Amino acid sequence: DTGVSQDPRHKITKRGQNVTFRCDPISEHNRLYWYRQTLGQGPEFLTYFQNEAQLEKSRLLSDRFSAERPKGSFSTLEIQRTEQGDSAMYLCASSLVGPDTQYFGPGTRLTVL
Amino acid sequence: DQQVKQNSPSLSVQEGRISILNCDYTNSMFDYFLWYKKYPAEGPTFLISISSIKDKNEDGRFTVFLNKSAKHLSLHIVPSQPGDSAVYFCAASGAGNTGKLIFGQGTTLQVKP
Repeated sequence: DTGVSQDPRHKITKRGQNVTFRCDPISEHNRLYWYRQTLGQGPEFLTYFQNEAQLEKSRLLSDRFSAERPKGSFSTLEIQRTEQGDSAMYLCASSLVGPDTQYFGPGTRLTVL
Repeated sequence: DQQVKQNSPSLSVQEGRISILNCDYTNSMFDYFLWYKKYPAEGPTFLISISSIKDKNEDGRFTVFLNKSAKHLSLHIVPSQPGDSAVYFCAASGAGNTGKLIFGQGTTLQVKP
């Protein structure tokens, strides 16, 4: 399977805990995006990388959120001191540079109790 | 501000008939538009896209129409099949060079046998 993969698929945590998600993009894709989706809404852009450089972050991404893409391959998204409002589906997508189609992974469903 | 809008939360059609899903946008800088299909607990799956230099793109049962003057696009599915039942999102990019996608809220399509 050469699609985008995400791990874990589900995460349940208690408020105040830290969580980390991983995304492995399609191997030849140099752009990697993180989105968040809540019930009844479309995915909302969080941040993106071109190779290892993080080039844009949404205002949705508070200081408790940090993302990395070391060596321009996989990416991690960490949420510190989780809050109940962080409960959502976190989606990763990858693409080639340019106005190119983004291919999404299956998502990580986060539930903060 | 919702730059991409899908004003119909749901649509129900009979198997074999045409399904038409609509999407409006406000940002004239958008130059690339995509439709994704999403099943519960899965990531969005790419269906079809269209560049702003075109007004129609066809792929099998799926056709996307773009009316730039009206800032409107639509997805036609002919003939509709029960397996097409899912949430459909339109998305737009191009306002800037990031490639980030701005999504509509989604339309739930139900195709009845």
